[in-house]
Amino acid sequence: DVKVTQSSRYLVKRTGEKVFLECVQDMDHENMFWYRQDPGLGLRLIYFSYDVKMKEKGDIPEGYSVSREKKERFSLILESASTNQTSMYLCAILKLGESYGYTFGSGTRLTVV
Amino acid sequence: TQLLEQSPQFLSIQEGENLTVYCNSSSVFSSLQWYRQEPGEGPVLLVTVVTGGEVKKLKRLTFQFGDARKDSSLHITAAQPGDTGLYLCAVSGGSNYKLTFGKGTLLTVNP
Repeated sequence: DVKVTQSSRYLVKRTGEKVFLECVQDMDHENMFWYRQDPGLGLRLIYFSYDVKMKEKGDIPEGYSVSREKKERFSLILESASTNQTSMYLCAILKLGESYGYTFGSGTRLTVV
Repeated sequence: TQLLEQSPQFLSIQEGENLTVYCNSSSVFSSLQWYRQEPGEGPVLLVTVVTGGEVKKLKRLTFQFGDARKDSSLHITAAQPGDTGLYLCAVSGGSNYKLTFGKGTLLTVNP
């Protein structure tokens, strides 16, 4: 079964810092996603990628960018972290076929102070 | 208007009780997924339903997709503390595979 690994479980960063969140999958899935999850707001899509060097904006891309130089790695970048970006960040890959659906990483709890 | 409405928002029950949670929309979907998320972890896929009226069972969990493919329910029989978590439904739209999630039902099963 595919494994999705997020590099950090917990991060504390200062306002204005550039922050990199890494996500790695151990199989050859094309579609990868970054969501943030906030109480009362649910999961909201930030960016997704359907192939190497391909990316599309999700519902809330402002303040974020992404990088996908290799198929197995999808990085989320906070260009200048702000306190309103304190959140749980979740990376996911999409499995096609009979078990259609997402496999998520364990998440990164980011606090911006 | 929210695409997916999940109800109830919170549910606290005793071990051994039965429960049903709902996922409703005014739109028709080609498929719908249910996930369970434990505190501090990512959601885990439980089931995907694709056919109107379809019923799937996963041990004590029964999932039903509405005949019109606009709604779904999750029924848990004899709930256990290990069932505690946030239950999310999700649907896909368009051709780019992105999923839209409901806000979830937070279930607590007390010993």
